[in-house]
Amino acid sequence: NAGVTQTPKFQVLKTGQSMTLQCAQDMNHNSMYWYRQDPGMGLRLIYYSASEGTTDKGEVPNGYNVSRLNKREFSLRLESAAPSQTSVYFCASSEFWYTQYFGPGTRLTVL
Amino acid sequence: SQQGEEDPQALSIQEGENATMNCSYKTSINNLQWYRQNSGRGLVHLILIRSNEREKHSGRLRVTLDTSKKSSSLLITASRAADTASYFCATDLIQGAQKLVFGQGTRLTINP
Repeated sequence: NAGVTQTPKFQVLKTGQSMTLQCAQDMNHNSMYWYRQDPGMGLRLIYYSASEGTTDKGEVPNGYNVSRLNKREFSLRLESAAPSQTSVYFCASSEFWYTQYFGPGTRLTVL
Repeated sequence: SQQGEEDPQALSIQEGENATMNCSYKTSINNLQWYRQNSGRGLVHLILIRSNEREKHSGRLRVTLDTSKKSSSLLITASRAADTASYFCATDLIQGAQKLVFGQGTRLTINP
């Protein structure tokens, strides 16, 4: 039982490049979330998926897209990376919307 | 602006002392949770308190909730070096969608 896994752990991109962050959970949770964490800013919700087949914007969705591939997997795509997207990205899952379980994070640097 | 705001932003105490951190929020909630984040790691859920509860305990943790003041406190008793971490409160809104709103966190340092 791995919980929530994220790949990659680290990534360096050049401005304008694209990439997809992968997230998977093995707890059969309905809801999944993507957050970004910047120094001194806490966690900010980018997108979430309350259940398989649905996605909704969070607080800071601009520059990102998501796909809820199936109940286990929820990916985050940066189509054209910008330096302002340098951050640590966390995926989380939950049954309903409380008690979230977090992955280890992806540290992304955009040059 | 953030729904939840922790206070203080940073706290440094000696091992064995008690640590208290506070969280204030702005709108009515269903539940309030506290999470811990060790440096460079994901958040870990510590405790959930429902809006109709006033106090909850879990091991060395004691959480209080005052809905009239829209505030919560987390007390860690007999602190240990392993308690060094950032602590975040998170709220889910009565009229919100299925999501949590996190505060900016309190950075706790336990000195040996």
